Amino acid sequence: AAGVIQSPRHLIKEKRETATLKCYPIPRHDTVYWYQQGPGQDPQFLISFYEKMQSDKGSIPDRFSAQQFSDYHSELNMSSLELGDSALYFCASSLKTTNEKLFFGSGTQLSVL
Amino acid sequence: QKEVEQNSGPLSVPEGAIASLNCTYSDRGSQSFFWYRQYSGKSPELIMFIYSNGDKEDGRFTAQLNKASQYVSLLIRDSQPSDSATYLCAVILTGGGNKLTFGTGTQLKVEL
Repeated sequence: AAGVIQSPRHLIKEKRETATLKCYPIPRHDTVYWYQQGPGQDPQFLISFYEKMQSDKGSIPDRFSAQQFSDYHSELNMSSLELGDSALYFCASSLKTTNEKLFFGSGTQLSVL
Repeated sequence: QKEVEQNSGPLSVPEGAIASLNCTYSDRGSQSFFWYRQYSGKSPELIMFIYSNGDKEDGRFTAQLNKASQYVSLLIRDSQPSDSATYLCAVILTGGGNKLTFGTGTQLKVEL
């Protein structure tokens, strides 16, 4: 079965640079979520989209933005990167009618040097 | 106080034993509860979900929910070394849309 696909798998950036993370949800899933997980920490919710509209917003810095496109893929744009942005970034998708079960992609490991 | 709390562990159990993982939550109105397994550096993998009070069994896994006491637990029978991972409890909070709020996870070690 198709899973959530994220790219790139690893990303190395320097401070103040920008980064774009991509997420392709499971086909027919209508909701996409972005989570950030620091070392040894639980995943922290950043933002979500339902049917290409932002549906919820969590602890996402103003330096970050995201959108969902007509093909349902989503991109997380991160600017003015800081050392503290180094983390695993997960995308998850769900189908609204299946009782909120989220399926996660493999994640993007972002390292800011 | 975190909205979803778990003991960080590590919880060590011998191979073949029952591992019991616990989670408490603060939002009495929460209705949806999930257990995810996460290996180091990998993505969380959904292993159980439960919405109603009582027990729900799936293979070697049993989820238990007690809304009155605001706790949810996960039992793993016949623990195997491959079960060694961090287990994340996740809750959909009232008014939280459909997003999951995670606990900090319990590290489980199954020893030979």
